[in-house]
This record gives sequence, structure tokens and C-alpha cells, in this order.
Amino acid sequence: AQSVAQPEDQVNVAEGNPLTVKCTYSVSGNPYLFWYVQYPNRGLQFLLKYITGDNLVKGSYGFEAEFNKSQTSFHLKKPSALVSDSALYFCAVRAHGSGNTGKLIFGQGTTLQVKP
Amino acid sequence: NAGVTQTPKFQVLKTGQSMTLQCAQDMNHEYMSWYRQDPGMGLRLIHYSVGAGITDQGEVPNGYNVSRSTTEDFPLRLLSAAPSQTSVYFCASSYRGFSYEQYFGPGTRLTVT
Repeated sequence: AQSVAQPEDQVNVAEGNPLTVKCTYSVSGNPYLFWYVQYPNRGLQFLLKYITGDNLVKGSYGFEAEFNKSQTSFHLKKPSALVSDSALYFCAVRAHGSGNTGKLIFGQGTTLQVKP
Repeated sequence: NAGVTQTPKFQVLKTGQSMTLQCAQDMNHEYMSWYRQDPGMGLRLIHYSVGAGITDQGEVPNGYNVSRSTTEDFPLRLLSAAPSQTSVYFCASSYRGFSYEQYFGPGTRLTVT
């Protein structure tokens, strides 16, 4: 069965410092991995995804994520945090080749708080 | 493009009432989905559709019905509302399926008393 874990409910970081939001996953076979962001009272917005290829994926708003197959992780990173990055972040996973039965599974979300 | 639109934004129901949450997209996407978001539980898939006339159950389908008569619209019906259905509901669409970027609507906050 597929699963996603975001081990931190909240991450606090000072503006200008690097940030990391953690995600680990479990799937049978190769994964599709996604990060989405949710600003208050809004729907989720796509940030980036990993399908295959380079383990470092670059996305919107200066975010990037590193795929690590041996650790089954897909951590979200940004070199220099902004106060406007404060939001709820979701990691999601789907297995390759799972056809119509392979749904997208979301983690429980991590609140990122960037303080000035 | 308006993207994915949802109505209403807020709704309060009494236990046992029924209602329909509306969702529409103007991107000609094949896939549409309904999720519910509850604190500490992320998003859970209720129902989804791979095209007009085709729907299937997700992780938490009980108490909800869907239909897809057109590519654009994917309404979610609550048959007999229960307090456990108090949640924020999101509709999403994607070009070809769950391996593609999902476009989410702004959500409907539903309270069942």
C-alpha cells in the first residue's frame, strides 16, 4: 500500500535562513512525487514533481526538492526563506504503472512559519 | 481561464439534510476529483472521474454520490448529512490523471450541526 509521512507538524525558520520540509514515502515500484502548497483559505497549488531523472527537482517560487531512493525521501528545500513562504505544505505520492487504480496519496501536511 | 470553480464557499447543514457541492473546470481536463481536508489528516480522495460518464470511488466514498454528465462539471452530492462530514471539500482536475499536476478549486467549508 502507498503511504506518505510528513514527520513534522510545524517547521519554524527565520527569514533569510534555509528551510527544509521533510517527506518520506512508501510505494511498490517507482514513485511519482509531488509537493503542493496551501495558503490560508485557498486551494492547493502545485509546486514541483519528480517522475524520473535528476534527483534534484526545481519548482515554483525558488523551491526545490531532492529525491533520495535509498532513504525513500523527497524533502522540500529553499535556500533563503521569505515571510511570504509561510503556508501549509503537502507531499503526495503515486506509484508508476498503477493505471486507474493508482491514486494520489497525500501526507498530513506541514505548516511552515517564517518569522521576520 | 477561470480554472476550477466551486460553489458555495460556505455551507451550514442540519443533520439529515442533503445538498450538492458544485465544481466546474474550463481547461478541458479529463480527470476530476473530490477530496476532503480534515486537520492532521491531509487530503483524502472521495470520488473521482476519468471522463464524462465514468466515475469511481476513492478512499472515503460513503455518504457521497457523484456523476459526470459533461467534461466541465463534477457535482458532489451529500445524501443525508452527518456531523462527521463537517470538513473542507476541494475539487481538483488534471489533464490525464493522478500522475499529472492537479489543479484545485478554492474549496467549500461545510459544517453539519
